[in-house]
Amino acid sequence: GAVVSQHPSWVICKSGTSVKIECRSLDFQATTMFWYRQFPKQSLMLMATSNEGSKATYEQGVEKDKFLINHASLTLSTLTVTSAHPEDSSFYICSASLGGPDYEQYFGPGTRLTVT
Amino acid sequence: SQQGEEDPQALSIQEGENATMNCSYKTSINNLQWYRQNSGRGLVHLILIRSNEREKHSGRLRVTLDTSKKSSSLLITASRAADTASYFCATDEGGSYIPTFGRGTSLIVHP
Repeated sequence: GAVVSQHPSWVICKSGTSVKIECRSLDFQATTMFWYRQFPKQSLMLMATSNEGSKATYEQGVEKDKFLINHASLTLSTLTVTSAHPEDSSFYICSASLGGPDYEQYFGPGTRLTVT
Repeated sequence: SQQGEEDPQALSIQEGENATMNCSYKTSINNLQWYRQNSGRGLVHLILIRSNEREKHSGRLRVTLDTSKKSSSLLITASRAADTASYFCATDEGGSYIPTFGRGTSLIVHP
């Protein structure tokens, strides 16, 4: 299957700082990328959907000014957690897709964010 | 909103036994997918089954779909310790191609 990478794998930052997480599709051009967060022993909760070259669509309850998403190219999307707080500590997972109903999502390995 | 709900929440079996996990959903779907997640890792896609399909196989995996009952099952035959992971079903709520995940079933296979 297709490969999606995330960087970094884990990050520890101080409260109030901003953290950028990258999601790359390595062997295909992803029309659409998705960002999820997952709390321990919980399901994946969709945060936002981003299409290359356009603004991300955020799910209800997700602050777009706090979680900045940029999908500047067909192979790269970034999630920036601005002014991070301990409650933002979570496992963030991206996925990439060619989009549309006959899609398959390819998931990245996830990024563990810990805010101290 | 959460569409798929897996059952049981956790399952512990011995190596060699079969493991069955169920997923129920509420609205009509175009397809249903099963994923596997090892602890602290990303998701691995296992099987996609479309709404007009009733059963699919992939190696030791067997997925069934009953749209009349709005349910699906994932059967892992002859389980191995390496099958230990969380298994999620994901459905696309009618009209949306974005999958919605259930809470998952945590499977532990004891060697």
